[in-house]
Amino acid sequence: KQEVTQIPAALSVPEGENLVLNCSFTDSAIYNLQWFRQDPGKGLTSLLLIQSSQREQTSGRLNASLDKSSGRSTLYIAASQPGDSATYLCAVQGGSEKLVFGKGTKLTVNP
Amino acid sequence: GAGVSQSPSNKVTEKGKDVELRCDPISGHTALYWYRQSLGQGLEFLIYFQGNSAPDKSGLPSDRFSAERTGGSVSTLTIQRTQQEDSAVYLCASSLQAKYEQYFGPGTRLTVT
Repeated sequence: KQEVTQIPAALSVPEGENLVLNCSFTDSAIYNLQWFRQDPGKGLTSLLLIQSSQREQTSGRLNASLDKSSGRSTLYIAASQPGDSATYLCAVQGGSEKLVFGKGTKLTVNP
Repeated sequence: GAGVSQSPSNKVTEKGKDVELRCDPISGHTALYWYRQSLGQGLEFLIYFQGNSAPDKSGLPSDRFSAERTGGSVSTLTIQRTQQEDSAVYLCASSLQAKYEQYFGPGTRLTVT
C-alpha cells in the first residue's frame, strides 16, 4: 500500500527566504507525482506535475524534483512571499488512477 | 476557461438524512474523481469514473455511499442515512484522460448534526 509522508508538517519563514518542502513515498512504482497548494477553506490548486520519467519541473519561482528510485520529491520555492502562505500537498499516482496524498506542509511566510 | 464546479458549497444535514453532492467537471475531461478531506485523515480517494468504463469504487467507505456520472459529464455523490463521521469536505477532480493532471473543484463542506 502506497504511503506518502511530508516533512515538515509546518514551516514558518521570513519573507524572501528560499525554502524546500519534502515528500517521500514508499512504493517507487509511480506514474506521476503532483504538487498542490490549498488555501484555507478552498479547494486544491495544481502547481506542478512530474511524470515518472522526468527529474524536475519548473514554474516561475517553483521547482519540483523527483528521485523515483529513492522515493523522494522536493518542492523548492525561491524568494518566498507572504502570498505563498498555504498548505502544500504532495500526491502520487501509481497503477490505479487515484492520487495518494500526504498530509501536507503548512507554510507561513512572515512579512 | 471554466474550472471544476461543485454544489452546494456548504450542506448541513441531520443525522439519518440522505444528501446529494454535485460535480461539474471541466468540459471535455473524460476522467472524474471524488475525494474526501476530513480532519486528521487527510485526503482520501472515494471513486473514479473514466469514460463509459465501470467506475472504480474501491475507496467508498460503506454501502451508504454511491455515485453516478450521467452522460459522461456531471456526477452526483449520494450519501444515505448520514452519520456524524461523514462530516468532511468532499472534493471533485477531473482530468483530460486517466493519469493526466487532476484539477480540483472548491469542494462541498458537509456537516452532519
